[in-house]
Amino acid sequence: AQSVTQLGSHVSVSEGALVLLRCNYSSSVPPYLFWYVQYPNQGLQLLLKYTSAATLVKGINDFEAEFKKSETSFHLTKPSAHMSDAAEYFCAVSSQNAGNMLTFGGGTRLMVKP
Amino acid sequence: NAGVTQTPKFRILKIGQSMTLQCAQDMNHNYMYWYRQDPGMGLKLIYYSVGAGITDKGEVPNGYNVSRSTTEDFPLRLELAAPSQTSVYFCASRVAGKTVNTQYFGPGTRLTVL
Repeated sequence: AQSVTQLGSHVSVSEGALVLLRCNYSSSVPPYLFWYVQYPNQGLQLLLKYTSAATLVKGINDFEAEFKKSETSFHLTKPSAHMSDAAEYFCAVSSQNAGNMLTFGGGTRLMVKP
Repeated sequence: NAGVTQTPKFRILKIGQSMTLQCAQDMNHNYMYWYRQDPGMGLKLIYYSVGAGITDKGEVPNGYNVSRSTTEDFPLRLELAAPSQTSVYFCASRVAGKTVNTQYFGPGTRLTVL
C-alpha cells in the first residue's frame, strides 16, 4: 500500500523568505508524485508532478520539488514567499492499479506574514 | 471548457435525509473520482469510475452510492445522511492511460448534516 506523510500541518514564513514544505512517501513501486495547492474555498490545482523524467521538477508560480529516492522524499520549495502563496498544499502519490487513484497526505497550511 | 463542475456549492441536510451531489466534466475524460475532505485531513477516495457503466469502491465508500451512465456525469448519492458525512466533497476527472496523468478537480460541495 502507498502512503504519504507531510511533516508540519502548519508552516509560517515571512514574505520574501524561503518556503519549504516536506513530503515523504511510501511506495513499493516507482512512484508518481504530485503537489496540489488549495486556495480558500476552492478546489485543488496542480502545482507540479514527478514523472521520472527529471528529479528536479519545476511548477507554476516558481515552485519546484526535488525527488530523492534514497530519502523517499519530494519536498516542495519556493525561493521567496509571496502573500498570495498562503494556501493549503497537498502532496499525493498515484497508484498504478486500476483507476490510478491518488493517495493524499494530510496537507500543510502555509501562512505568509508581511 | 468549463472543466469539472459540481452542484450544489453548499447544502445542509437533516439526519436521515438523502441527496445527490452532481458532478459533470466536459473534457471527455474516462476516469472520474469522488473524494471527501475533512478538516485538517487530506482527501479520501470514496468511489471512482474508469468509464461509463464501470464504478468501484475507494477507501471510504460506506454510506454512499454512485452511478456512471454517461462519460460526462458522475453523481454521488447519500441515502441516509449521518453527521459523520459532514464534509467537503470534491469530484475529479482525468484522461485514461498513463499513471502520471493529472487529475482535475471541481470547486467542491460543502455538506453539513445536522
